[in-house]
Amino acid sequence: AQKVTQTQTSISVVEKTTVTMDCVYETRDSSYFLFWYKQTASGEIVFLIRQDSYKKENATVGHYSLNFQKPKSSIGLIITATQIEDSAVYFCAMRNYNQGKLIFGQGTKLSIKP
Amino acid sequence: DTTVKQNPRYKLARVGKPVNLICSQTMNHDTMYWYQKKPNQAPKLLLFYYDKILNREADTFEKFQSSRPNNSFCSLYIGSAGLEYSAMYLCASSSSQGNTEVFFGKGTRLTVV
Repeated sequence: AQKVTQTQTSISVVEKTTVTMDCVYETRDSSYFLFWYKQTASGEIVFLIRQDSYKKENATVGHYSLNFQKPKSSIGLIITATQIEDSAVYFCAMRNYNQGKLIFGQGTKLSIKP
Repeated sequence: DTTVKQNPRYKLARVGKPVNLICSQTMNHDTMYWYQKKPNQAPKLLLFYYDKILNREADTFEKFQSSRPNNSFCSLYIGSAGLEYSAMYLCASSSSQGNTEVFFGKGTRLTVV
């Protein structure tokens, strides 16, 4: 069965610094896809970045990057040069290759302080 | 247009009454999902359609119904709302290929009183 776990309930950092959010997952499939989403203050869920399990290179999009450690079943999200508007709840999610389900972790609330 | 549209954005319902939520997408996605989101919890998958095939999660099997009369449209139906159904309901769609993004609507906030 699939499972996604985010152990950090909340994180607070000062603006313009780098933050890392942790996520570990469980799956029996050899091919799968990992995602990070952000929930805005209005409740909207917004896609940020994706990592394919068969790719060794860490994905990077803008000031988001991933730390993919396959042997540890870990997919950390790194946000560099954080801004106040990065304050949100961040969700890690996983989807197996042959299954439509997208399963979420519990979320990490990120607060960026001036 | 990469949007998923949900109506209404806010819904007030009485205990014991039915609730019908509506979702549409114009991306020709073969898969559409419904999630329930409560504060401080992960979005919980309720059910999803792959084409015309409905897949319901085991623990919510009897609580929610859905229909998908065409590729673009999907509804979520609650036959008799209880207080515990108060939540944000998120509709999403995607291609069935696992590496594709899942697009979410802005949600319908349901309050049951």
